[in-house]
Amino acid sequence: SQTIHQWPATLVQPVGSPLSLECTVEGTSNPNLYWYRQAAGRGLQLLFYSVGIGQISSEVPQNLSASRPQDRQFILSSKKLLLSDSGFYLCAIRGQGKTGELFFGEGSRLTVL
Amino acid sequence: GQSLEQPSEVTAVEGAIVQINCTYQTSGFYGLSWYQQHDGGAPTFLSYNALDGLEETGRFSSFLSRSDSYGYLLLQELQMKDSASYFCAVRGGASKIIFGSGTRLSIRP
Repeated sequence: SQTIHQWPATLVQPVGSPLSLECTVEGTSNPNLYWYRQAAGRGLQLLFYSVGIGQISSEVPQNLSASRPQDRQFILSSKKLLLSDSGFYLCAIRGQGKTGELFFGEGSRLTVL
Repeated sequence: GQSLEQPSEVTAVEGAIVQINCTYQTSGFYGLSWYQQHDGGAPTFLSYNALDGLEETGRFSSFLSRSDSYGYLLLQELQMKDSASYFCAVRGGASKIIFGSGTRLSIRP
């Protein structure tokens, strides 16, 4: 079965600092990968999704970027964090079955001070 | 644009039935899903509807009406552990999946 690893689990960063969140997947190949952000008490905002290596679709213009250097690796980055970047970042893969359900990692909780 | 609307909060009594509605507006539609999220955790998949009608999975059922761009999640025999946030999500393109803002379900004994 597939597993999703996200790290770091928790981080506190100052405004203006860079960011790198990593997501790796095991147990599947050529997955559709997703990055979502969830502000405290809010819904899941789709940030990026990828259907293959080097293929990134961006949903929200902002100071974040994503890369997929390998089939099962998805990285979320920022050159300069804003206070509004605080939140719970979730990586997900889409299942191969007819439901296309998303399987989520445990998330990375980012606090920007 | 694409959007999903659902109530922000619902309160129910243990053992009762509750319905959480979702209306959507998307440029494409492949199916409506429901997810459950407990505080501090990641969302987990509950159900999926691609065609009109009712899908039943144990105590949970989900309904879809594509002509009305509407669906709902029905939770029966509520238990305290069902206290969580519930999200509807639309697969609006081959790969794009967007979520509603979530409904926080509180259950009273």
